[in-house]
Amino acid sequence: AQKVTQAQTEISVVEKEDVTLDCVYETRDTTYYLFWYKQPPSGELVFLIRRNSFDEQNEISGRYSWNFQKSTSSFNFTITASQVVDSAVYFCALSESIHNQGGKLIFGQGTELSVKP
Amino acid sequence: DADVTQTPRNRITKTGKRIMLECSQTKGHDRMYWYRQDPGLGLRLIYYSFDVKDINKGEISDGYSVSRQAQAKFSLSLESAIPNQTALYFCATSGTGTGYGYTFGSGTRLTVV
Repeated sequence: AQKVTQAQTEISVVEKEDVTLDCVYETRDTTYYLFWYKQPPSGELVFLIRRNSFDEQNEISGRYSWNFQKSTSSFNFTITASQVVDSAVYFCALSESIHNQGGKLIFGQGTELSVKP
Repeated sequence: DADVTQTPRNRITKTGKRIMLECSQTKGHDRMYWYRQDPGLGLRLIYYSFDVKDINKGEISDGYSVSRQAQAKFSLSLESAIPNQTALYFCATSGTGTGYGYTFGSGTRLTVV
């Protein structure tokens, strides 16, 4: 069965600190996709990144970076120089790929990040 | 207009009432999903549909039913609402090909009193 674990329930940092959100996943599939979403206080889900199981390159987008390691089944997310606007709940999610189409998306429990000024 | 539209956005209903949450999409995706979000539990899958004739139970389907009226419409019903169904509900679609991803609606905040 597929499972996503975000062990950090809440994280509080002071602005400009770097912060890493952990994500560990379980799957028996050889082809799968990993996602990160941001949920600001307004409630909508904002897509941040998708990574497929064959691409282990790390990715950087501005202050955001992602470290995908299949050996440890982890897909961690780092925010560099955090800002108050980064305060949100962040979800890691995993999906199988069925005939190159989206399958069920399984979410972790979420990590609530609070960035204080 | 949004790609995935959920109605209503907010709803307060009484215990025992039947309520329907509606979802429509303009993405042309075959696959649609209903999720429920509770604090500390993330989003959990209620039902999913891979095409109009294919409907499947998710992790927490008890107390819910769905109807896939067309490719673009996927409704979630609570036959007899109870207070622990108070939650934020999301509809989503998923597409195909190498660029596939998931498109979420804005959510329906349901309160059962």
